[in-house]
Amino acid sequence: AQKITQTQPGMFVQEKEAVTLDCTYDTSDPSYGLFWYKQPSSGEMIFLIYQGSYDQQNATEGRYSLNFQKARKSANLVISASQLGDSAMYFCAMREVGDYKLSFGAGTTVTVRA
Amino acid sequence: EAGVAQSPRYKIIEKRQSVAFWCNPISGHATLYWYQQILGQGPKLLIQFQNNGVVDDSQLPKDRFSAERLKGVDSTLKIQPAKLEDSAVYLCASSPGQGVTDTQYFGPGTRLTVL
Repeated sequence: AQKITQTQPGMFVQEKEAVTLDCTYDTSDPSYGLFWYKQPSSGEMIFLIYQGSYDQQNATEGRYSLNFQKARKSANLVISASQLGDSAMYFCAMREVGDYKLSFGAGTTVTVRA
Repeated sequence: EAGVAQSPRYKIIEKRQSVAFWCNPISGHATLYWYQQILGQGPKLLIQFQNNGVVDDSQLPKDRFSAERLKGVDSTLKIQPAKLEDSAVYLCASSPGQGVTDTQYFGPGTRLTVL
């Protein structure tokens, strides 16, 4: 079964606007971590933001924020004030206790228009 | 602080040839990972090392892939012989430990094309 689901294969956003990327996850583990990575066309995976399952507040990191809804098992990434350099593939990933690897979703391609 | 280093960045080989990739993790990071990313998909873990020991190699095709981290620092991933379906980006990552909160930091990847 898919542990991470990203239902939006591609999105367009106007420069300076906000965009929300959807991510739902599947786990029965009470302790887990959720991560978002950005992968530009150069290929490197760049860590953006982390949310722990026990964190009471939504994580924020500069223009990135995570809308964490534990009961719905969703961890959507919000990018505010989009810039042309935000055009990339974005991956949601999860790590569970006792399972060392990151399980990645299929990714969402974001294209920022001037 | 220097990031994860990988070489080469690109490699083109014929099927049945062999190829090796090198990775140097962030200094002090005990855990090292090799991922395979096929075009249009998320990365898939091939092997994980904790220091110089293998933690998880359950998804490594051991008939053709091998990896080592002899001194607990840098690592080499080898494919021998390569198949067409091995065409992918091979990503190396490292983290301070292997806990749920330990962020994995990735290198630039090696793009392999098998003809």
